[in-house]
Amino acid sequence: QKEVEQNSGPLSVPEGAIASLNCTYSDRVSQSFFWYRQYSGKSPELIMSIYSNGDKEDGRFTAQLNKASQYVSLLIRDSQPSDSATYLCAVDWDYKLSFGAGTTVTVRA
Amino acid sequence: GAVVSQHPSWVICKSGTSVKIECRSLDFQATTMFWYRQFPKQSLMLMATSNEGSKATYEQGVEKDKFLINHASLTLSTLTVTSAHPEDSSFYICSARNMASLGTSGIYEQYFGPGTRLTVT
Repeated sequence: QKEVEQNSGPLSVPEGAIASLNCTYSDRVSQSFFWYRQYSGKSPELIMSIYSNGDKEDGRFTAQLNKASQYVSLLIRDSQPSDSATYLCAVDWDYKLSFGAGTTVTVRA
Repeated sequence: GAVVSQHPSWVICKSGTSVKIECRSLDFQATTMFWYRQFPKQSLMLMATSNEGSKATYEQGVEKDKFLINHASLTLSTLTVTSAHPEDSSFYICSARNMASLGTSGIYEQYFGPGTRLTVT
């Protein structure tokens, strides 16, 4: 069974710090990986996509992918209170997304 | 770009009635759309994959006669919850796969609509 596991959280970080989120997946065939942010009561918002090994940076966000270790992570630099949300890791299997349970991040001022 | 809308954003209906939810891709064409359900404090659960011009593919355990899906155009998919019951109360979210994202991001990206909160009384 294909699974996506995220560190359970909740994760509390001070404003300005780096938040580090981790995700592992069970199937080596997967090629595309995504991070979504979901505020309470809202739908998920795509913040990063990655398909090549290594790092991908977009503003304060950096996604890291290691296919050999079946591991994808998200770093949020200079965390802001507005980053407080649940972050969902998603893996594309046959063009369908499988989601992890999510990690709730709280950025404290 | 890559905006997905849903209508209505919330609906309250009586047990036994049917409710239709619309999902539209506003600035791109989507041959494939997806319908998810999310209960409080839980992650997203894929219900079905909606393909333009063909029958939807349902995930295991999802009743296709209860959750009717129609994808009649490249920008519109609808989900009808038939004979709704209180246990169907949930947050229903659609997503659309942006085929154009392959050229910009290298992979097909999915964008979510804002969701429809259904309450069945």
